[in-house]
Amino acid sequence: QVQLVQSGAEVKKPGSSVKVSCKASGDTFKNYALTWVRQAPGQGLEWMGGILPMFGTTDYAPKFQGRVTITADESTSTAYMELSSLTVDDTAVYYCARGGGLGERWLDPWGQGTLVTVSS
Amino acid sequence: DIQMTQSPSSLSASVGDRVTITCRASQNINNYLNWYHQKPGKAPKLLIYDASSLQSGVPSRFSGSGSGTDFTLTISSLQPEDFATYYCQQTYGSPHTFGQGTQLDIK
Repeated sequence: QVQLVQSGAEVKKPGSSVKVSCKASGDTFKNYALTWVRQAPGQGLEWMGGILPMFGTTDYAPKFQGRVTITADESTSTAYMELSSLTVDDTAVYYCARGGGLGERWLDPWGQGTLVTVSS
Repeated sequence: DIQMTQSPSSLSASVGDRVTITCRASQNINNYLNWYHQKPGKAPKLLIYDASSLQSGVPSRFSGSGSGTDFTLTISSLQPEDFATYYCQQTYGSPHTFGQGTQLDIK
């Protein structure tokens, strides 16, 4: 049974960066895509991008291009999402999720979420 | 970006009711359509993938249909644990956009 465990809540200042981790257990890490989705308070789900650890290839939503970096460390089965130039609008719960099927046909399972609060 | 539009945005229903939620894509996405539900304070959970395939462990009262641009999620007989927010997601083209969500409440 695959499980994704994310790092803890963060409080950041506007203009700074945040790096959230997502550790996978229970399956072969490199064989699946790892994707990041965020959810602002009271809002819906927003796809940010993902990585295929086997190839090291990434795909980012245009909205976040240039501001987000997704990486993966196969030695520790951990994926990372770093978001820079934070504003108050980046306050959200950030989820990692494993891609199923070929590439990322669907997302399952999901991590528990990491709350990132951006405040001066 | 491919836009995903769900309807209704909110819905009130009773235990035992049959409920249908629709999702429309702004272009053809074949069957690259998934359904999730999310309870307050929890991560989303996959219910249906590839438009009509039931995820392992998900009760058979959930079903999905559709192809191209129009899709439906049906819950045949609502149970108390089904009251949640439902999202569709397309994975045909990047970015893999979600619908805005349908909040299903108890009547």
